[in-house]
Amino acid sequence: DAGITQSPRHKVTETGTPVTLRCHQTENHRYMYWYRQDPGHGLRLIHYSYGVKDTDKGEVSDGYSVSRSKTEDFLLTLESATSSQTSVYFCATAREGITSPLHFGNGTRLTVT
Amino acid sequence: DQQVKQNSPSLSVQEGRISILNCDYTNSMFDYFLWYKKYPAEGPTFLISISSIKDKNEDGRFTVFLNKSAKHLSLHIVPSQPGDSAVYFCAAKRGGSNYKLTFGKGTLLTVNP
Repeated sequence: DAGITQSPRHKVTETGTPVTLRCHQTENHRYMYWYRQDPGHGLRLIHYSYGVKDTDKGEVSDGYSVSRSKTEDFLLTLESATSSQTSVYFCATAREGITSPLHFGNGTRLTVT
Repeated sequence: DQQVKQNSPSLSVQEGRISILNCDYTNSMFDYFLWYKKYPAEGPTFLISISSIKDKNEDGRFTVFLNKSAKHLSLHIVPSQPGDSAVYFCAAKRGGSNYKLTFGKGTLLTVNP
């Protein structure tokens, strides 16, 4: 949907290793978001971007960093993965405007062993 | 502090009957509300939305009602179909927040044939 590609789709990694998830969009949307979905918690915002090189924290940002060097790419990095970061990660994009919905990618399932 | 609450984790209805999914919010600054549907192994997809200046919005079989005084919204699906079986997320946003969405925990709807 909205030309959003997340990579990889699945990843298994070991505790303490760095991990980078990529989100690529082809819609030229200004806003991009990273959410995680966990049982009993719904979708929680990790970080978001409101333009190239403009990012800010969400409600569960500890242990994560992001970068956006181009409009189309938004990277989420786990500097040192922990088991609590096992989750499904969703990237979303949005145009300007209060009525514009977020469009989501199909997610990355990350398992930290 | 959960600002968007979906108190029913699951709901089961018969095909052809009405499904009513409920959502409550606590932040009076929210001025736009959305419902998303999510199938397993896919990202959430936008379903329907409503502005805080309205009390009803209809799109085909889907109608969203907003009661601002009670800080409550509901999604009605009539008639329900087996293909509607999915997790439904309520979400809210406010102007000036970089269009971030705050989600509820979701309600799993099962429509039985």
